[in-house]
Amino acid sequence: DVKVTQSSRYLVKRTGEKVFLECVQDMDHENMFWYRQDPGLGLRLIYFSYDVKMKEKGDIPEGYSVSREKKERFSLILESASTNQTSMYLCASSSGGIYNEQFFGPGTRLTVL
Amino acid sequence: RKEVEQDPGPFNVPEGATVAFNCTYSNSASQSFFWYRQDCRKEPKLLMSVYSSGNEDGRFTAQLNRASQYISLLIRDSKLSDSATYLCVVNTAGGFKTIFGAGTRLFVKA
Repeated sequence: DVKVTQSSRYLVKRTGEKVFLECVQDMDHENMFWYRQDPGLGLRLIYFSYDVKMKEKGDIPEGYSVSREKKERFSLILESASTNQTSMYLCASSSGGIYNEQFFGPGTRLTVL
Repeated sequence: RKEVEQDPGPFNVPEGATVAFNCTYSNSASQSFFWYRQDCRKEPKLLMSVYSSGNEDGRFTAQLNRASQYISLLIRDSKLSDSATYLCVVNTAGGFKTIFGAGTRLFVKA
């Protein structure tokens, strides 16, 4: 059974802290994605990666960075957390063409105080 | 104007009803289309792809209208378990561009 896991379901951080969100997939997928989901706005792409050490900016990369040192792991980093980064963060992966089905992790609900 | 728009609902329907959702997209170069389902406090999961010829999976039918730039999802004989948020997804060529709609909420009542 395909699986995407995220390091935390709930996370509370303070403004200015550096935050790491980890995502691991066990399907040997080439593509991995980070989204945030906010009410009324849907899912918005932050960054994606189509290969190890490769990354591309999505629609809202400001304030975020990513790291993909191994194929199965894709990390999202908030360099200095701010209250407007309070959100649900979803990781996803897919194989082959970038338009194939994406498999999502359970999400991390991040609250920045 | 948003690139992908959905009526947020909620749609409240009785069990056994037929319900339809539309999703409009603004980029005529869009190439592939999907419907995802998201249960409350869960991650999105693929429901079905949408093909130009239309496709059916049991009680669910998806259609694409390129001329009017919308996709639709029809659910027949609604079940309580169909209660969820339905997200449309539009992919555009020329660089990775996947846009999720904000979703349509469906409540099926006994």
